Amino acid sequence: DTAVSQTPKYLVTQMGNDKSIKCEQNLGHDTMYWYKQDSKKFLKIMFSYNNKELIINETVPNRFSPKSPDKAHLNLHINSLELGDSAVYFCASSQVSYGYTFGSGTRLTVV
Amino acid sequence: TQLLEQSPQFLSIQEGENLTVYCNSSSVFSSLQWYRQEPGEGPVLLVTVVTGGEVKKLKRLTFQFGDARKDSSLHITAAQPGDTGLYLCAEPFQGAQKLVFGQGTRLTINP
Repeated sequence: DTAVSQTPKYLVTQMGNDKSIKCEQNLGHDTMYWYKQDSKKFLKIMFSYNNKELIINETVPNRFSPKSPDKAHLNLHINSLELGDSAVYFCASSQVSYGYTFGSGTRLTVV
Repeated sequence: TQLLEQSPQFLSIQEGENLTVYCNSSSVFSSLQWYRQEPGEGPVLLVTVVTGGEVKKLKRLTFQFGDARKDSSLHITAAQPGDTGLYLCAEPFQGAQKLVFGQGTRLTINP
């Protein structure tokens, strides 16, 4: 199946821990993204990568570090997790001027 | 970055009724995308509108782009429980390197 897949689907962790979320797309898209959806369902961009290169960093704390080993993968590592980091994180991909394809999300709960 | 205002924020109606939801801005949209998000899933692209006055149909869904490209509407005819979800409008910025979303309309269709 062609898709954007992200793992894990659910992540429950304690404050102060470090965690990673992985994302892969097999659509051949050039651009990949991380979005954060808060408890009010508002979706906000965090990062954009084009061909492994960071092009947008939307004033995200530097505890969040994306990494793109190749065009098809974009991972998100989060250091020193805080309660306010609890949210649903979506990976997405696109080709310029087309719509985005989103993964099914990772629900992160920090306790 | 302009603000996309969606209304209403919440809408609950009976199966078979018609409904319209709106997406507005104080500035001109370059283009506009509509997405539907179901619980536990990522947003799925429904349509992209580009030209002022444009109307696009997707089965029972009709999308209109205002003549001045500052507003858009989504009309659903004879709503069904399967239409339940979060409807999001979004505008591409910076050469489509990022997508800015409205806050969404949460639609519930009751059987």
